Order: sequence, then structure tokens, then C-alpha cells
Amino acid sequence: DIQMTQSPSSLSASVGDRVTITCRASQSITTYLNWYQQKPGKAPNLLIYDASSLHSGVPSTFSGSGSGTDFTLTITSLQPEDFATYYCQQTYHAMYFTFGPGTKVDIK
Amino acid sequence: EVQLVESGGGLVQPGGSLRLSCAASGFTFSTYWMTWVRQAPGKGLEWVANIKQDGDIEYYVDSVKGRFTISRDNAKNSLYLQMNSLRVEDTALYYCAREAYSSSWFEYWGQGTLVTVSS
Repeated sequence: DIQMTQSPSSLSASVGDRVTITCRASQSITTYLNWYQQKPGKAPNLLIYDASSLHSGVPSTFSGSGSGTDFTLTITSLQPEDFATYYCQQTYHAMYFTFGPGTKVDIK
Repeated sequence: EVQLVESGGGLVQPGGSLRLSCAASGFTFSTYWMTWVRQAPGKGLEWVANIKQDGDIEYYVDSVKGRFTISRDNAKNSLYLQMNSLRVEDTALYYCAREAYSSSWFEYWGQGTLVTVSS
């Protein structure tokens, strides 16, 4: 099974900060990596698919990069509505999708 | 507008059964893979199962294999999750989600239905 890890598990940041979240897979998943944002009490929302493609309607302050085992989600200028938990997800293994444990971004 | 509305959650004793439903609208249901994802209270996301467009292929996370069954009724635009032999650790908010066409990311999500397994 492919295991996903994320770092950090949480971070505190200010509005306007640049934020970077890392996701690592236990084996190569090429670019089968997606990112989701979840706010408290809400369902997750897709942000990035295929490692670097921005989902429709997602602000351009979000970007994704990486391939193989190491991936990054970057928020170039943190906005008040960006405080949330972020999850990576691998969809390389068609019979077994896995999410990372999440990174909580809160206000400094 | 794509809508996914889950129902069927509730309180059940360990060893019991529950059937979740997800009513889909706003898209051609029969042309998409569909998925169930769960989230235990205060925890992260866990993919549970998914099912191919015509229902002839299903995949499950190891922890539910042999206990849960995913199914769909394309005539009713509905997705189901039959959960048997429920355990305390199955307590979670269960979301249904639509996978992207010809791809596997989860484009649309319902708001979830809560399953609580407790004596």
C-alpha cells in the first residue's frame, strides 16, 4: 500500500504570508497527486489535481508542484479564507486511494 | 448544479448494520465513478470504497473488506453503502463524492451523513 505523509502537521501564519506544505509518498506516484482544502464543519474541496493543475474556480494564489514521491502545495499570499486543513491524496494505485494526514493552517 | 445528498446515518450498536444512500443530481450519474470517503471525529479523511459506472467493478479499503458493500442504481441516480458487522472504529462522517470523468480526483462532495457505532 502507498503511504502518504505531510509536513508540517500544523502551522501558524499571517495574512499575506507565503505558505508551503509538503507531501511525500512511500513510492513513486508520478503525478497522481491531488490537494484538498477542508474548513471546519464542511466537506473537502478540490484545489489541485495531477500535482499541478488548478481546479476550476480555485484562486491562482494556490499552486502545486512535484512528481515521483515529493510534492508541494504553495499559497503565495495567505488570505483570511485560506485558514483550513489541507490534505494530499494519491490516486496512482487505482484500487486503493490514500490521503495524507492533513496540515492545519491557522492564524498566527 | 451538481448535488450529492447523503442520508441513512444514525446510531447503531456494534455488530449492527446500516445502509447509507447518496442521491445525485445535476449530472449524468451513470457516466461517473462514485466514491465513499469517511472522517472519524477530529480525524483525517479516509477513502472507503468506489464503484465503476456500470457497477461491475468495486474497490475497498482493507479495513472494510467483507463488511461493507458499495452499490449503485443508475436508474435512480443513487449510490449506496451497505455496512454490516459495524465496529466502534467505523464511527465517522461518511461523504459520497463524484470522481472526475476518466480520472480519479474527487470533484464534488456531499455534506456527509454521521454514523455512530456505540453500545
